[in-house]
Amino acid sequence: DAGVIQSPRHEVTEMGQEVTLRCKPISGHNSLFWYRQTMMRGLELLIYFNNNVPIDDSGMPEDRFSAKMPNASFSTLKIQPSEPRDSAVYFCASSLGGTVLFFGSGTQLSVL
Amino acid sequence: KQEVTQIPAALSVPEGENLVLNCSFTDSAIYNLQWFRQDPGKGLTSLLLIQSSQREQTSGRLNASLDKSSGRSTLYIAASQPGDSATYLCAVPTNDYKLSFGAGTTVTVRA
Repeated sequence: DAGVIQSPRHEVTEMGQEVTLRCKPISGHNSLFWYRQTMMRGLELLIYFNNNVPIDDSGMPEDRFSAKMPNASFSTLKIQPSEPRDSAVYFCASSLGGTVLFFGSGTQLSVL
Repeated sequence: KQEVTQIPAALSVPEGENLVLNCSFTDSAIYNLQWFRQDPGKGLTSLLLIQSSQREQTSGRLNASLDKSSGRSTLYIAASQPGDSATYLCAVPTNDYKLSFGAGTTVTVRA
């Protein structure tokens, strides 16, 4: 298996633009997570899906952030409009339930 | 709220020396603890998972211990190599799906 695949690896955009991050989880995994990593706050869980249904989105910072999982093999995290404080590394992870997670390589987002 | 602390934040050792990485957590009611490795520009890779009923877990040169009562875990890496240079994070579950991560210890092994 290729593991969790995220795209793009790097994204540079200007403040106010829409940003869409993509994730393909490991085939057969039923849980998907979006995490954000910054120097100041470390790793934070943004949203958790189970069987394609959002279960916990309490970590989504504000309404500018939205996430979808239209099917078991694809998820998106969208930021609209983006702001400089959204600059971070965004990770997608999947699991077969529980907390043994497999992480993607992340998307390094820079908002200028 | 579960707080996870890792000290030191960074560590530099010569090749061949044993590494000792520390992790402490405030709520001892955990059911497992994981150690992850993160290479620069990469995601996290799970190294070891210790169940709450275990005191130790070993994988090759890696050994992790868990003392729930004192809220501590230690990751030992024997005979360190330059390839062990990375950031090591520990994490404990706060519920069925959510992990609380430490800030990590960045290790540099000098050749």
